[in-house]
Amino acid sequence: DVKVTQSSRYLVKRTGEKVFLECVQDMDHENMFWYRQDPGLGLRLIYFSYDVKMKEKGDIPEGYSVSREKKERFSLILESASTNQTSMYLCASSRGSTSSYEQYFGPGTRLTVT
Amino acid sequence: GESVGLHLPTLSVQEGDNSIINCAYSNSASDYFIWYKQESGKGPQFIIDIRSNMDKRQGQRVTVLLNKTVKHLSLQIAATQPGDSAVYFCAEDEAGGTSYGKLTFGQGTILTVHP
Repeated sequence: DVKVTQSSRYLVKRTGEKVFLECVQDMDHENMFWYRQDPGLGLRLIYFSYDVKMKEKGDIPEGYSVSREKKERFSLILESASTNQTSMYLCASSRGSTSSYEQYFGPGTRLTVT
Repeated sequence: GESVGLHLPTLSVQEGDNSIINCAYSNSASDYFIWYKQESGKGPQFIIDIRSNMDKRQGQRVTVLLNKTVKHLSLQIAATQPGDSAVYFCAEDEAGGTSYGKLTFGQGTILTVHP
C-alpha cells in the first residue's frame, strides 16, 4: 500500500515564525502536492512538484515556499506564519503517468497560528 | 479557471438506503474524474475513478455515472452504512498539456447516515 506520512498531526505556532511541514511518500511517485483545506472551500493547491528540485505554483502560493531535494520528500515552508494560514494542510503524491491521476493523501497537519 | 462544483452540500440518509451524491463540472475537455471520501480527522481516500470514454463504472457498493452531455458526475452508494458517513469530493483532471496529474476538487458533500 502507498503510504504518505506527514511530520505532525497538530502544530501551534506564533505569528512571524518560520514553519516547516514535512511530507514523505514511500512509493517512488514522481508527483507531490501540497493543499490547504478550509471549511467550505474544499482543497486548494498551494504548490506541486513533478520531479526532484522541480516545483510549480498552484492556485494559492502566496506566503509559502516548497523544497524537494529528494524524490520521496516534499516540504512546505511558511516563511513568516500569519493567522490567516491557520488551516489543515494535506500532502499528496501520484505517479507520473497519464493512465491514472489518483493522488494518495497523508493524514493532514492541522496548523494553528496564534 | 474551470471548477468543479456540487449541487448539495449535505445529504442525510437512513442506513440501508441508497445514496446519490452529485457533481457538476464545467471543463468539457476534462478526461478523468475521481471520487474521494474523507472521514473526520483523516486525509481523503480514493473511492472510484472514471475516464471520459466511459459512462459508468462500478466498484464494491459504489457506482460512478458520467453524463458528458450535461457535464454531470454522480456517485451512487448502495445499502449505505453508518461507516459511509464522511465528506465526499469529486475531482477532475486539469485537461490539456502537461498537467502533471493536477486535480481540481469540488467543495465536498457531507453524507450523514442515520442508524
